Amino acid sequence: AQSVTQLDSHVSVSEGTPVLLRCNYSSSYSPSLFWYVQHPNKGLQLLLKYTSAATLVKGINGFEAEFKKSETSFHLTKPSAHMSDAAEYFCVVSDGNSGYSTLTFGKGTMLLVSP
Amino acid sequence: DTAVSQTPKYLVTQMGNDKSIKCEQNLGHDTMYWYKQDSKKFLKIMFSYNNKELIINETVPNRFSPKSPDKAHLNLHINSLELGDSAVYFCASSQTGSMYQETQYFGPGTRLLVL
Repeated sequence: AQSVTQLDSHVSVSEGTPVLLRCNYSSSYSPSLFWYVQHPNKGLQLLLKYTSAATLVKGINGFEAEFKKSETSFHLTKPSAHMSDAAEYFCVVSDGNSGYSTLTFGKGTMLLVSP
Repeated sequence: DTAVSQTPKYLVTQMGNDKSIKCEQNLGHDTMYWYKQDSKKFLKIMFSYNNKELIINETVPNRFSPKSPDKAHLNLHINSLELGDSAVYFCASSQTGSMYQETQYFGPGTRLLVL
């Protein structure tokens, strides 16, 4: 079975400082990993995804994530936070076990950005 | 153009009523999904349809009945609404549904409040 653990429910940063949102996964198969962002009262937008190609994945809005198999991690980073980055971030895993595209979501990390 | 759209955006109703939420995608995808996001922001798959056929049916009360008139539409009908049904319901779609690396594209969500 696949699962995702987002280690922090809330992360607070100041504008212009680096962002680190942590995610660990569990999967019996080679997984695909995604980060989605949800702004207040909005839908889910894909930030980036890993699908067994390059382990360092670049996404939209300056975010990137590195797949580390030895650590079963897929942490999301950004060098410099912007006020508009304040949102809920979901780490998501999908593996080939079920034969279908089946997403398992983490519980989310709320990113708070202060001026 | 909106890729995945849902109507209504907000739905407030009384316990015991029957209501429907509609979803449409214009991406030409074969597979559509319904997710429920609870008050703690946790997202979980409810149903998945591939070309009008049900392929994933998680443990959901049979008061919830998805209907897919064609592959571009997946509607969710809920009978005898209960307080615990209050949540945000997201529709999503993906190209085939059979590739675990696929990106799922989400609609803006329908915020259901049962009084």
